[in-house]
Formats: sequence, C-alpha cells, structure tokens
Amino acid sequence: QQQVKQSPQSLIVQKGGISIINCAYENTAFDYFPWYQQFPGKGPALLIAIRPDVSEKKEGRFTISFNKSAKQFSLHIMDSQPGDSATYFCAASSSNTGNQFYFGTGTSLTVIP
Amino acid sequence: DGGITQSPKYLFRKEGQNVTLSCEQNLNHDAMYWYRQDPGQGLRLIYYSQIVNDFQKGDIAEGYSVSREKKESFPLTVTSAQKNPTAFYLCASSLRGLKNYEQYFGPGTRLTVT
Repeated sequence: QQQVKQSPQSLIVQKGGISIINCAYENTAFDYFPWYQQFPGKGPALLIAIRPDVSEKKEGRFTISFNKSAKQFSLHIMDSQPGDSATYFCAASSSNTGNQFYFGTGTSLTVIP
Repeated sequence: DGGITQSPKYLFRKEGQNVTLSCEQNLNHDAMYWYRQDPGQGLRLIYYSQIVNDFQKGDIAEGYSVSREKKESFPLTVTSAQKNPTAFYLCASSLRGLKNYEQYFGPGTRLTVT
C-alpha cells in the first residue's frame, strides 16, 4: 500500500509559469516531509523540506504548502525554468520509525522554453 | 570531497548469477539505506542499517542481502532468487537520532540482468 500518494505523474509547464505537485498521506505519525529532485541517471537530491509545525516554507522559487488537517502537502515552483525539468519526489517519515522514508511515485516535470 | 559513491554505474549480469553492488560514504553517517527505483513506482526501500553490524529489512527485501561490517560501507547483493532484478539501485545515508534527518543519495547503479 502506497503510504504517500503523489500527483500528477507528469506535468508540462511553460517557462515562467507555476508548477504544482501534490502529495497526500494517511499516517498521522509522519513528522518530516522532504521533496527531492532527480535528474536522469542521477541520484535524488534534497530540494526543500518541512515539518508539520509550519504551514508553508519558501526557499527561493520553491515553496512547500502543508495542510495538516487534510494530510496534504504540495510543492510550488514559481517562474519555472527549463533547468527545472526533472523528476520530483515527495516523501514522508516519522521520527518514531528510525528515519525510514516513504516516497511518492514521482512527477516528471518538463518546462518548455 | 564528502559524499556517497556507488560502483559500478552500469552492471550487466546473466540470469542466475549473484551480483554485489558497492556503496561507500565518507560523511560519517551512522545510517545507510538501499532503494530500488523502477519507472512509475518511486523509490522502494530494500534494506537499511542504523549502526554497524545491524540491519533491517525494508518493504522489498526478498532476493537481496546486505552486510554492514564497516561504518563507511553497505554493500548490497542481488541474489538469483530475486525474480525481477533489472532496476536502478540507489544507496543513501543519513545521521541517526531521535529526529528525522535528510538522506543523501549516491549516483546509483543501473543493473541489467538478461
């Protein structure tokens, strides 16, 4: 059973537009929600992460919005650039379970020039 | 230059052969992880280790084995019992403690079994 559900599977956005990727979870024990960016043939790299004590975190063009009551969180990429074209994974973990991460199935983002 | 190295980048094996994938880290992390990545399925945890000489099965451990004899090294063996071994394998490491820590990933090994 998928612990973290991610959508959409793929996304095409014009340069300068906003990319939005959504994730949902069921386990209320999750207390850490990172987003990873992966380029083809490479390992994932941490982009931004949030803990449930805040509803939003912004780093440059990347923002995580977190809705604890709905058990949802999303990644917003403002002013999307062709260099942002990659696969994005959301994840969740609980400090009760030894830093085991549960990943979403990934979103392939293509930013068209 | 700190990080995680995985070797080789590409690996080809015949069906029925065991194969060992290497993972080394110089980040002084206690915890290490092995994931398998297949198209459309995200990353699935195979095994993880919180300390030397100790490891736990993840969600898809069948057909795989690991060892953790040194803090820096966490090799993964894909045995002939693994029914569908062709995949992209990722190793990761993190600090260990009471709170969650970022996992740092290696560049991956693409295994093809024919």
